[in-house]
Amino acid sequence: GDSVTQMEGPVTLSEEAFLTINCTYTATGYPSLFWYVQYPGEGLQLLLKATKADDKGSNKGFEATYRKETTSFHLEKGSVQVSDSAVYFCALRRTGGFKTIFGAGTRLFVKA
Amino acid sequence: GAGVSQSPSNKVTEKGKDVELRCDPISGHTALYWYRQRLGQGLEFLIYFQGNSAPDKSGLPSDRFSAERTGESVSTLTIQRTQQEDSAVYLCASSLEQAANEKLFFGSGTQLSVL
Repeated sequence: GDSVTQMEGPVTLSEEAFLTINCTYTATGYPSLFWYVQYPGEGLQLLLKATKADDKGSNKGFEATYRKETTSFHLEKGSVQVSDSAVYFCALRRTGGFKTIFGAGTRLFVKA
Repeated sequence: GAGVSQSPSNKVTEKGKDVELRCDPISGHTALYWYRQRLGQGLEFLIYFQGNSAPDKSGLPSDRFSAERTGESVSTLTIQRTQQEDSAVYLCASSLEQAANEKLFFGSGTQLSVL
């Protein structure tokens, strides 16, 4: 079945460091891929998405590129801030499907 | 409403009791989802409603779990004879339609603790 695997956390970085959170997926067909973020005390919200191969989703300085050849959708940010501390979830949704499959989440701590 | 609203935000109950969790989706959203998030784990799909179609209940972990939705409005998730392993955050989400690239809007969740 469809699945999403993301790197285990927590990830601890200093402010202005480069961030990569790895995400790989297994799915039939061509799913849409998402990154959701859950800030402390808040609900999950969409961070970015990509709907086809080679698309790049971007938002708030974060980027992720849909790589069909490696079935990956790694999240990157060039310079993290303390306010980026949150849990990040990679997710997929198959075309024609309804169920959004989530990874286990990666907790990010950014130190000042 | 402005966002997906869930109530209560916290629920503490004794093992064996029934609980009912409520979700108010964003007005006009036809799709509604329930997920469960155990401590330190990812989101586990429970059930999906789309308009007036029959719900997909394939994620419900046991027959103690049930959910209803009236039309395209409020949904309730009921857990009967709660067990300690039911302790988790129960998240509700809605989306405008079923398209694969539609994003989900999440509520803040109900933290359920079964003692």
